[in-house]
Amino acid sequence: GQNIDQPTEMTATEGAIVQINCTYQTSGFNGLFWYQQHAGEAPTFLSYNVLDGLEEKGRFSSFLSRSKGYSYLLLKELQMKDSASYLCAVPNTGGFKTIFGAGTRLFVKA
Amino acid sequence: DVKVTQSSRYLVKRTGEKVFLECVQDMDHENMFWYRQDPGLGLRLIYFSYDVKMKEKGDIPEGYSVSREKKERFSLILESASTNQTSMYLCASSGEGQEFGPGTRLTVT
Repeated sequence: GQNIDQPTEMTATEGAIVQINCTYQTSGFNGLFWYQQHAGEAPTFLSYNVLDGLEEKGRFSSFLSRSKGYSYLLLKELQMKDSASYLCAVPNTGGFKTIFGAGTRLFVKA
Repeated sequence: DVKVTQSSRYLVKRTGEKVFLECVQDMDHENMFWYRQDPGLGLRLIYFSYDVKMKEKGDIPEGYSVSREKKERFSLILESASTNQTSMYLCASSGEGQEFGPGTRLTVT
């Protein structure tokens, strides 16, 4: 089967760096997504990793290790507006369905 | 910059009512999805469609049906709403990643 684990909550300070981890088990691999979701709003796409390594996009970076079934989202220079849930997601073997983690709620404090 | 829209942001219905949730996307995507999201449970797939008139059950299809008569429109139907269907309903279509609509918060009383 498929399973995704990520921490339930994290707290960090404005201006700091935070790393949100995700581990997954899948029968095949078609990439890994990260989404950001503010309270009461829909998820928005952040990143897609299909190869091992780090992909950087401004203040956000995403890392993937396929052999370890592991990914992390790195947020630098944290801002208050980064307080949100961050969802890790993997498409299933057929590619049509995407399995979402329960999300990590990040609280950024002043 | 409209991409995925849903017919209502908030909806209140009574137990036993038939409920229609509409979703429209303007990106010419073939794949569309309906999820519900509940605290602590994350996003759960109800149904998805990979082409007009084609549909597949997701993980929790019971109590729901869908309709895809046109490529841009994917409807979710609750035949007889129940209180345990009170939830946030999210529609998505897929390009690079999934593009989500704003969500419909449905309350069944």
